[in-house]
Amino acid sequence: SQKIEQNSEALNIQEGKTATLTCNYTNYSPAYLQWYRQDPGRGPVFLLLIRENEKEKRKERLKVTFDTTLKQSLFHITASQPADSATYLCALAKGNNNDMRFGAGTRLTVKP
Amino acid sequence: NAGVTQTPKFQVLKTGQSMTLQCAQDMNHEYMSWYRQDPGMGLRLIHYSVGAGITDQGEVPNGYNVSRSTTEDFPLRLLSAAPSQTSVYFCASRRQGNYGYTFGSGTRLTVV
Repeated sequence: SQKIEQNSEALNIQEGKTATLTCNYTNYSPAYLQWYRQDPGRGPVFLLLIRENEKEKRKERLKVTFDTTLKQSLFHITASQPADSATYLCALAKGNNNDMRFGAGTRLTVKP
Repeated sequence: NAGVTQTPKFQVLKTGQSMTLQCAQDMNHEYMSWYRQDPGMGLRLIHYSVGAGITDQGEVPNGYNVSRSTTEDFPLRLLSAAPSQTSVYFCASRRQGNYGYTFGSGTRLTVV
């Protein structure tokens, strides 16, 4: 069966460091991979989308890589800040980008 | 421009009762989805729609019905609520193309 795994439930880092979150998938051939941020009690907020033919995408302090051979995506936040503390969700979708499935998320805490 | 609006925000139902969770978007998005979020399980797709009059099942559709008579609205119906349907429900929408989803703020449903 399809499986989307995010490397850990929780990640703690020091302010200013780079946070790296991992998303691995099995029995799946996604055409789209997306990352969302979710704060407690709120809905997810879209951050970045990367397609299967793209290796890397950047947006301000965020960078996403997508390796279809390893079946893995890495999500980086550089120069992390306490305001970056949240749960980050990885989501995959097939060719039409409609049937989107999520990983369980990684809770990031950035300590001052 | 309100985005995705979900009502109600909170609801308590008795087992066997029926109800409709409302979702409306004012962004003229073609695609809409319903997810449920449970602790440790992440977001799971219930149903989705690619346009008015077209719906399809996600990974956990049993016990839920949907319809899409207009582009703006995508209600989720629980015909006979069960305690296993206690969850937080999120509605999401996106426009055609390589775009991420916009989520509503969620409905917290408790079935007793």
